[in-house]
Amino acid sequence: GDQVEQSPSALSLHEGTGSALRCNFTTTMRAVQWFQQNSRGSLINLFYLASGTKENGRLKSTFNSKESYSTLHIRDAQLEDSGTYFCAAATNYGSSGNKLIFGIGTLLSVKP
Amino acid sequence: SVLLYQKPNRDICQSGTSLKIQCVADSQVVSMFWYQQFQEQSLMLMATANEGSEATYESGFTKDKFPISRPNLTFSTLTVNNARPGDSSIYFCSSRDSTYEQYFGPGTRLTVL
Repeated sequence: GDQVEQSPSALSLHEGTGSALRCNFTTTMRAVQWFQQNSRGSLINLFYLASGTKENGRLKSTFNSKESYSTLHIRDAQLEDSGTYFCAAATNYGSSGNKLIFGIGTLLSVKP
Repeated sequence: SVLLYQKPNRDICQSGTSLKIQCVADSQVVSMFWYQQFQEQSLMLMATANEGSEATYESGFTKDKFPISRPNLTFSTLTVNNARPGDSSIYFCSSRDSTYEQYFGPGTRLTVL
């Protein structure tokens, strides 16, 4: 079946540093979304990409549909960036009914 | 974008009872989706609901256990029948805007005793 493989499952950063999260897809996906889930459980939309790269503040995301992966880069991490980050991939139209499939999530902890 | 509201925010119920979770969108949307998230796990798609038709359920979810109604283009209800402690989780409704970006409601945290 369709799969979204997300890594790492957990990440610890010191304030001011950065890192990257990655999702690999086992089949061709139409688009990818990245979400942050905060401590209250709410899902915050970070990026929606059908291709290419988008940047928003200290976050940057890339989706390479041909090579079936997406990345989320965080730079200059702040304490409020802590939370769980999910990638979710949209299956192609007509295949599996155009669904959004989630990765396992990355638990990010930013420390002073 | 699409704004989604859910009611209740949280609920505690006894095993064997049924409860309803409501979802309202701030605009008309074609499809509404329901997701389940167990603690410290990912989100699983339960079903897709389009107006005027039966919901389509994913493997592991049935309409007898989780009946879904979609009476109009802004509203959906998920019912949890014969609730069990294993149903304790967060339930999210979700929908897409015209660009196909998907948005989520705030979630309903259910605890079954």
